[in-house]
Amino acid sequence: QLQLKESGPGLVRPSETLSLTCTVSGGSITSSASYWGWVRQPPGKGLQWIGTVYYPGGTYYSPSLKTRLTLSLDTARSQFSLKLNSVTAADTAVYYCARQSLAAPGTPFDYWGQGILVTVSS
Amino acid sequence: SSELTQDPAMSVALGQTVTITCQGDSLRNYYANWYQQKAGQAPILVFHGKNIRPSGIPDRFSGSSSRDTASLTIAGAQAEDEADYYCNSRDNSDDHLVFGGGTKLTVL
Repeated sequence: QLQLKESGPGLVRPSETLSLTCTVSGGSITSSASYWGWVRQPPGKGLQWIGTVYYPGGTYYSPSLKTRLTLSLDTARSQFSLKLNSVTAADTAVYYCARQSLAAPGTPFDYWGQGILVTVSS
Repeated sequence: SSELTQDPAMSVALGQTVTITCQGDSLRNYYANWYQQKAGQAPILVFHGKNIRPSGIPDRFSGSSSRDTASLTIAGAQAEDEADYYCNSRDNSDDHLVFGGGTKLTVL
């Protein structure tokens, strides 16, 4: 059973860089049938796709975040990471990592992490 | 980029049928996926592709699509179906993804 878990600081100061890691277990991060995505949810609001990374290092970024966003893979640790720079209070959200299945019609996010709340505040 | 539009809130009487819709131009070309999110929990996939219900999802959940609109139907809604429901799909112009704004479903 594939499992994903987010980790990182829960508090980031404005203008600094938000860094999160997702650890994947029970499956291979190098699988050609998987993309690895980040989705966030501001308090009381809906889901927002942030971006997607896939082996060996291709990326797709949300147009609204691409100037501040970097996604990467660490195959040795079976992890993928998010870095979002110059954060503001508007980046406060629960951040989820998720697997996007290329083998399934619709290429849905079929496995999700539990989510991690990141607050941007001084 | 494309957008997906959902009704913000709907209600259904216990045991009755409700259909949640998702409208967007990209749905003319790509399937919608549907997620259920209960308070304080991560989303779970409840329907995807043309007609696929993941293992463990009750068969009262079904999906359909026509032109630019995808629908998720819950036949015989149960109290545990009270949740937020989100659709998602690919963007029409590129390889980006998009989520609908979500529908808060209340079971009366």
